Amino acid sequence: GNSVTQMEGPVTLSEEAFLTINCTYTATGYPSLFWYVQYPGEGLQLLLKATKADDKGSNKGFEATYRKETTSFHLEKGSVQVSDSAVYFCALLKGGSQGAQKLVFGQGTRLTINP
Amino acid sequence: DAGVTQSPTHLIKTRGQQVTLRCSPKSGHDTVSWYQQALGQGPQFIFQYYEEEERQRGNFPDRFSGHQFPNYSSELNVNALLLGDSALYLCASSFVAGGQQFFGPGTRLTVL
Repeated sequence: GNSVTQMEGPVTLSEEAFLTINCTYTATGYPSLFWYVQYPGEGLQLLLKATKADDKGSNKGFEATYRKETTSFHLEKGSVQVSDSAVYFCALLKGGSQGAQKLVFGQGTRLTINP
Repeated sequence: DAGVTQSPTHLIKTRGQQVTLRCSPKSGHDTVSWYQQALGQGPQFIFQYYEEEERQRGNFPDRFSGHQFPNYSSELNVNALLLGDSALYLCASSFVAGGQQFFGPGTRLTVL
């Protein structure tokens, strides 16, 4: 079936550190891949996406590259800020019946950045 | 331009009761999807509605049902509530079924 596996958290870093959150997926075909972020008490916000192999999604200093060979979509940022503290979810978009599509999420990685 | 809105924000029910959650999609969107997010977990797909019909359903029992209205808003109904139904319920809207999904802030349901 289709699934997403993220590195387990929580992850705690100091401000300006380099961030990597690993994400691998299992899917038939070539799904679109996403990173969502959830700030405390809020819903999910799309952070970045990639729709085909070798695409690089980027936003707010975050980047992730769609790697078909390793079925991975790791999230990176060169210098994190305290405001990046949140829970990050990797997800794939899976097609289904009648044109419907659903998001399949990983379990989330809680990131805390200390000043 | 209003985003996705959900009501109520919080809800407390007891086991066996029934609950209705509501969602208004982002302006211009015609498709609504519902997700359940248990504490510390990623969201799980419940179902998706398009043109007032359920188009796809996740692995949830029939106690979970939904509806979409002509104005594209949607309701999620859960009958015979169990303690395990306690979760954050997220609504997402998109333009057509395969479009980018925008999420609302969620409804926090607590079952006692």
